[in-house]
Amino acid sequence: GEKVEQHESTLSVREGDSAVINCTYTDTASSYFPWYKQEAGKSLHFVIDIRSNVDRKQSQRLIVLLDKKAKRFSLHITATQPEDSAIYFCAAASSGSWQLIFGSGTQLTVMP
Amino acid sequence: DMKVTQMPRYLIKRMGENVLLECGQDMSHETMYWYRQDPGLGLQLIYISYDVDSNSEGDIPKGYRVSRKKREHFSLILDSAKTNQTSVYFCASSFGTGGEQYFGPGTRLTVL
Repeated sequence: GEKVEQHESTLSVREGDSAVINCTYTDTASSYFPWYKQEAGKSLHFVIDIRSNVDRKQSQRLIVLLDKKAKRFSLHITATQPEDSAIYFCAAASSGSWQLIFGSGTQLTVMP
Repeated sequence: DMKVTQMPRYLIKRMGENVLLECGQDMSHETMYWYRQDPGLGLQLIYISYDVDSNSEGDIPKGYRVSRKKREHFSLILDSAKTNQTSVYFCASSFGTGGEQYFGPGTRLTVL
């Protein structure tokens, strides 16, 4: 079955710098790639997603890139702010099952 | 007000006891999910429900069962809880499949 690997378990950046979180997946049939954010002690909420018919998507300071050939996708957070500090989860799903397989999470810390 | 609720938020049970976790949503979403979150493992799907009485196993269904008799309500049942079921359980819902999932606040279950 699908496996999603999230490469950075922790990431620290200075406020104003960019942060990049990388994920890889194994199932070539995967076509939907969302990202979720979990602040300390709280639940998850959706931040951005990308589908396999595009290779880049931007929403304000968030950019998602998808490289289908390498089976890799990444979340770029530009001009980071302290409130960006959280755990970020990548996930993947195929159009067959639509069941999300999550990565293990990246703890992002934005230092003032 | 788009919301997913979970009850209880915290629960301590003894091994062998039965556990009922309840989830509600007010968005008329067809699809609902139960996940568990363990440190370093991300989220793992236990069950998915596509609508009333239309439930499918996720990746780790063993030891769990679910019930969905109304669209807005989805229950997770542990018959004879085990210590390795100590975890944080999240319920989520979505409009159809393959889109944004809305997560509840989570239930922290401890099985002694």
